[in-house]
Amino acid sequence: QVQLQESGPGLVKPSQTLSLTCTVSGGSISSGSYCWNWIRQPAGKGLEWVGRVCASGSTTYNPSLKSRVTISVDTSKNQFSLRLNSMTAADTAVYYCARATDGVYYYFDYWGQGTLATVSS
Amino acid sequence: QSVLTQSPSVSGAPGQRVTISCTGSSSNIGANHDVHWYQQLSGAAPKLLIYAYNNRPSGVPDRFSGSKSGTSASLVISGLQAEDEADYYCQSYDRSLSGFWVFGGGTRLTVL
Repeated sequence: QVQLQESGPGLVKPSQTLSLTCTVSGGSISSGSYCWNWIRQPAGKGLEWVGRVCASGSTTYNPSLKSRVTISVDTSKNQFSLRLNSMTAADTAVYYCARATDGVYYYFDYWGQGTLATVSS
Repeated sequence: QSVLTQSPSVSGAPGQRVTISCTGSSSNIGANHDVHWYQQLSGAAPKLLIYAYNNRPSGVPDRFSGSKSGTSASLVISGLQAEDEADYYCQSYDRSLSGFWVFGGGTRLTVL
């Protein structure tokens, strides 16, 4: 059973960079045709796809965040990470990591529990 | 404002059938990109409910079904139960700009 767990500081100052890590257990992050995603949800609002890194190492980002986002993978630790710079209050949200299969259908079948990132001075 | 549009709320009594709609455009659902549905219970992470229009992962009751027509998709819940009270989100791919994955704004289901 694949499990994902987010970690990282819960509080970020305005204009600073958010750094989150997702640790994958129950399977290798580099095996199969999987892509590893970040999805966020502001309080009381809907879901927004942030970006992904695939087992091949390729990355894709939400166009609205592309200039501020970097997603990378560390296969030695079975982790992937999110960096979002120039944070503002609008970036305050629960951040989820999730797995998707890079195949005919692209859907998120395993999710982490989410971690709250708050932007405040 | 979400790329996919969902009604904010829907309600039904136990045993009833409810439909949750998801309206897109020619750059996503109308372009034959697949639609998936998620259930989010209060305080929990979203859970995959339906994938590729009308396929259920193991463990999801057959009371949940999906369909698609034109630029819209629907999630139908039959025999409504109290534990179905949750937020429901549709998801697809949008080929505008450089292409990216999109969600609906979510529909809150209340079981009366």
